[in-house]
Amino acid sequence: AQSVTQLGSHVSVSEGALVLLRCNYSSSVPPYLFWYVQYPNQGLQLLLKYTSAATLVKGINGFEAEFKKSETSFHLTKPSAHMSDAAEYFCAVTPISGYNKLIFGAGTRLAVHP
Amino acid sequence: DTGVSQDPRHKITKRGQNVTFRCDPISEHNRLYWYRQTLGQGPEFLTYFQNEAQLEKSRLLSDRFSAERPKGSFSTLEIQRTEQGDSAMYLCASSLGGGGSTDTQYFGPGTRLTVL
Repeated sequence: AQSVTQLGSHVSVSEGALVLLRCNYSSSVPPYLFWYVQYPNQGLQLLLKYTSAATLVKGINGFEAEFKKSETSFHLTKPSAHMSDAAEYFCAVTPISGYNKLIFGAGTRLAVHP
Repeated sequence: DTGVSQDPRHKITKRGQNVTFRCDPISEHNRLYWYRQTLGQGPEFLTYFQNEAQLEKSRLLSDRFSAERPKGSFSTLEIQRTEQGDSAMYLCASSLGGGGSTDTQYFGPGTRLTVL
């Protein structure tokens, strides 16, 4: 069975500071991994995805994530936070085979203060 | 490409009533998914369609829930005899299909259901 754990339900950073959102996964087969962002009262928007190519994945809005198999991690980072980054972030996993059903973590709410 | 749309965006109903939600996927997307998201949690998978065929249902989908995708285009999710525990955001997503790295799911804005 696959699962995702996001450490820290709330993260607060200053504008311009490094953003680090943690995601660890459990999967018995090679996974695809995703980060989605959700703004208030909106659906989920894909930030980036890992599909077994490069382990360092670059996404939209300056975000990137690194797949580390030895640590079963896929942490999301951004060098410099912007006020507009305040949102909820979800890590998700899906097996390479099958119907690509997404299994989500509980989410991390990012607050950015001046 | 207008994205995935869902209707209504909000629904308030009384316990015991039936409700129906609609999802219009991105055109030419073969796969359609329904998820449910409760407050403070990530979305949970409910069901999946490949064209008009419903290929997988979660155990979360009790017999009060039914989903259809009659012509392989839009989909409906019906909840009969609603309960307060059904209050949640219901999200629809679609993907092109074909598997592999191309099969990214695109989400609609969701329907927020409140059962009084």
